[in-house]
Amino acid sequence: QQQVKQSPQSLIVQKGGISIINCAYENTAFDYFPWYQQFPGKGPALLIAIRPDVSEKKEGRFTISFNKSAKQFSLHIMDSQPGDSATYFCAASNSNSGYALNFGKGTSLLVTP
Amino acid sequence: GAVVSQHPSWVICKSGTSVKIECRSLDFQATTMFWYRQFPKQSLMLMATSNEGSKATYEQGVEKDKFLINHASLTLSTLTVTSAHPEDSSFYICSARDRSVHTIYFGEGSWLTVV
Repeated sequence: QQQVKQSPQSLIVQKGGISIINCAYENTAFDYFPWYQQFPGKGPALLIAIRPDVSEKKEGRFTISFNKSAKQFSLHIMDSQPGDSATYFCAASNSNSGYALNFGKGTSLLVTP
Repeated sequence: GAVVSQHPSWVICKSGTSVKIECRSLDFQATTMFWYRQFPKQSLMLMATSNEGSKATYEQGVEKDKFLINHASLTLSTLTVTSAHPEDSSFYICSARDRSVHTIYFGEGSWLTVV
């Protein structure tokens, strides 16, 4: 059972554009929502993470928007660059059940020059 | 920043042999580490949660006798694939939780090919 649903599966954005990836969850016990970036053949790298007590967090070109009532969160990549082309995974975990991350299925982002 | 080191990066072994993969947290203590398996173009599948000084907790469908996990210290967890078969060939990734910053970091992954 997929506890975190991620969309779209793939995304093509022009250089300089905004990339938006969305995730939704059902388990209201989740209290940690990270986003990871993964390049082919490499392990996932933590991009940015948010907790449910805030609605938005920004780090450089990356912003997480969090809607607790809708149980949704999204990643916005501003001024997208070809080097951002990678697979992005959203995840969620519950501190009361061991912190194991539940991953979305991933979004393959291609930023064209 | 925090670093999780995984070794080896890739390994080829013969069917029937065992192979060990190490996961180390280099600059923080990790009471909890996680092992994942990832198939090409798919998401990460949690195999087990490794807790320092106690038995690992395996996810449903993961054979604990085949995938032996040991977490003997606060900075090291190992995954041993026993009696490996070609279907065990995969990308194995570990992660470790840094309690001080409530963050989970991933290793670079280990490619296992069983021939």
